[in-house]
Amino acid sequence: RKEVEQDPGPFNVPEGATVAFNCTYSNSASQSFFWYRQDCRKEPKLLMSVYSSGNEDGRFTAQLNRASQYISLLIRDSKLSDSATYLCVVPSNQAGTALIFGKGTTLSVSS
Amino acid sequence: SAVISQKPSRDICQRGTSLTIQCQVDSQVTMMFWYRQQPGQSLTLIATANQGSEATYESGFVIDKFPISRPNLTFSTLTVSNMSPEDSSIYLCSVHRGNYGYTFGSGTRLTVV
Repeated sequence: RKEVEQDPGPFNVPEGATVAFNCTYSNSASQSFFWYRQDCRKEPKLLMSVYSSGNEDGRFTAQLNRASQYISLLIRDSKLSDSATYLCVVPSNQAGTALIFGKGTTLSVSS
Repeated sequence: SAVISQKPSRDICQRGTSLTIQCQVDSQVTMMFWYRQQPGQSLTLIATANQGSEATYESGFVIDKFPISRPNLTFSTLTVSNMSPEDSSIYLCSVHRGNYGYTFGSGTRLTVV
């Protein structure tokens, strides 16, 4: 299994839709997980951190399944401004001092 | 979260030359990280830079090609040496700030011709 693997995408959805991205990771010892958002030609920015079973922030919900080594990101009521690439990120070591990035899933929300 | 100033934001360089990228952080941090993002790809960690010691390089990256300096707790440089077109990429520095997670500089878009 690749260290961090994501849905290939792209996802093309209308405004208001609910969309979910999946991510699997290989290191069963990983304790924390992140979803980053990267806009075109910009640096990645932290969207959500996941330390336990999940996290919710407004329209965004991240869920963690440690048994299956699986993380998901759910976006409800998609907005045009949600169009971006979403990166699943896992620390590369127990100290969590560096990151392994998935290849990203591109979301395009249209009106 | 930490503010990182990275420069240059972009450059076009001749093959065989070297480019030094600078990152300045607005507060002291123990570790700084350098990443590369090749066209259409995700980020790959190049090395971890600690102040006062040599950087730790990931597999596939060597000090001769990517020398790193870390003279103090707020500053680091990455040099891309003897460049070839394959080095065309975005280079990003990053720091970890506790509950704020990892913050990235705005990136340096390098084109080697």
